Amino acid sequence: GESVGLHLPTLSVQEGDNSIINCAYSNSASDYFIWYKQESGKGPQFIIDIRSNMDKRQGQRVTVLLNKTVKHLSLQIAATQPGDSAVYFCAETPNTGFQKLVFGTGTRLLVSP
Amino acid sequence: NAGVMQNPRHLVRRRGQEARLRCSPMKGHSHVYWYRQLPEEGLKFMVYLQKENIIDESGMPKERFSAEFPKEGPSILRIQQVVRGDSAAYFCASSDRLLNTEAFFGQGTRLTVV
Repeated sequence: GESVGLHLPTLSVQEGDNSIINCAYSNSASDYFIWYKQESGKGPQFIIDIRSNMDKRQGQRVTVLLNKTVKHLSLQIAATQPGDSAVYFCAETPNTGFQKLVFGTGTRLLVSP
Repeated sequence: NAGVMQNPRHLVRRRGQEARLRCSPMKGHSHVYWYRQLPEEGLKFMVYLQKENIIDESGMPKERFSAEFPKEGPSILRIQQVVRGDSAAYFCASSDRLLNTEAFFGQGTRLTVV
């Protein structure tokens, strides 16, 4: 289930399920988006990116969907594994002339064996 | 090709002391970014540097914080006269291009002010 509040929103799934993590971004002028995975005690790790001229991009077991009309980004993880357990952040790049990342609040994904 | 290297991984400072955080970007990367992360929050941009130049420091507190990326050596984030509110994880990232490119992050320095 999902929970929100002072703590990070959490998505709990069973191993083998598909996971969908959502993100609302703020700047309609942003033209590049990245999903990062952050494990406890580590730095963010790149998962997949998408440019604003696309609405879907697929990687290995992951798909990112971009809906510019409602400023919404989603990350789909197929056949979720325990090793996918982490906090996931979306990041946007407003049109500042350089790679300035604006991170969302994050979603904690918990995968049960 | 080593990734982005940050040191130290953990740093404990007493209130009023100085903290120096180091970041060596990936080989061939000339763009360096510093971010701060509080527990249970996303990363917040602090400063963007190229060799010998600060390009954008709009996310840096006006006092006590400074950053540099000298011609030789790592990028340094310096926090003078630390206070408890400076306790956070500080991450450095680097990229090889200006725009629309993956930024690689280091493992971070966890600063604790006691």
